[in-house]
Amino acid sequence: SQTIHQWPATLVQPVGSPLSLECTVEGTSNPNLYWYRQAAGRGLQLLFYSVGIGQISSEVPQNLSASRPQDRQFILSSKKLLLSDSGFYLCAWSPGTTSYNEQFFGPGTRLTVL
Amino acid sequence: KNQVEQSPQSLIILEGKNCTLQCNYTVSPFSNLRWYKQDTGRGPVSLTIMTFSENTKSNGRYTATLDADTKQSSLHITASQLSDSASYICVVSEPDGNYQLIWGAGTKLIIKP
Repeated sequence: SQTIHQWPATLVQPVGSPLSLECTVEGTSNPNLYWYRQAAGRGLQLLFYSVGIGQISSEVPQNLSASRPQDRQFILSSKKLLLSDSGFYLCAWSPGTTSYNEQFFGPGTRLTVL
Repeated sequence: KNQVEQSPQSLIILEGKNCTLQCNYTVSPFSNLRWYKQDTGRGPVSLTIMTFSENTKSNGRYTATLDADTKQSSLHITASQLSDSASYICVVSEPDGNYQLIWGAGTKLIIKP
């Protein structure tokens, strides 16, 4: 069966510090991978998606970046965090071949920027 | 602009009661509509997925309906349990997009004993 891991679960960082969140998927090959951010009381906002190694598409211009160094590894980074980067970050994967595009989510990372 | 709006924003009901959550969308055309359940501090979990040609889909005590003419969907929960306390999110998928999901803000449901 497939599983998706995210870490850390919670993170408190000062403004201006760097960020690295990691997501890995097990039990599947060539998945589509996604990074979302969820602000309190708001819907999920797609930040990045990837259909293959080294292929990253950005949905929202911001000071965040994403990388996919391996097939089942997706990393969200920032060189300098802003207060507005606080939120709940979710990684998700979907089978690349399904027409339903069902997405399966990780447990999330709660980021607080102070 | 494609949007998904849900109502009510929050709902409190007693354990054992039924409830219905609403979703209106302006995404047109669309590929499919799905309902997710999100426990506090966790990732969303899929409950149902319906294509534009489906009218209803059930998953245990959860039944989703879809009216593509009026662009409305509902999620009915039967015989609610304490574990049903969560946010329920309506999501619409744009056609030809492997990633374009339009997310509603969710309805926060609280089940009281």
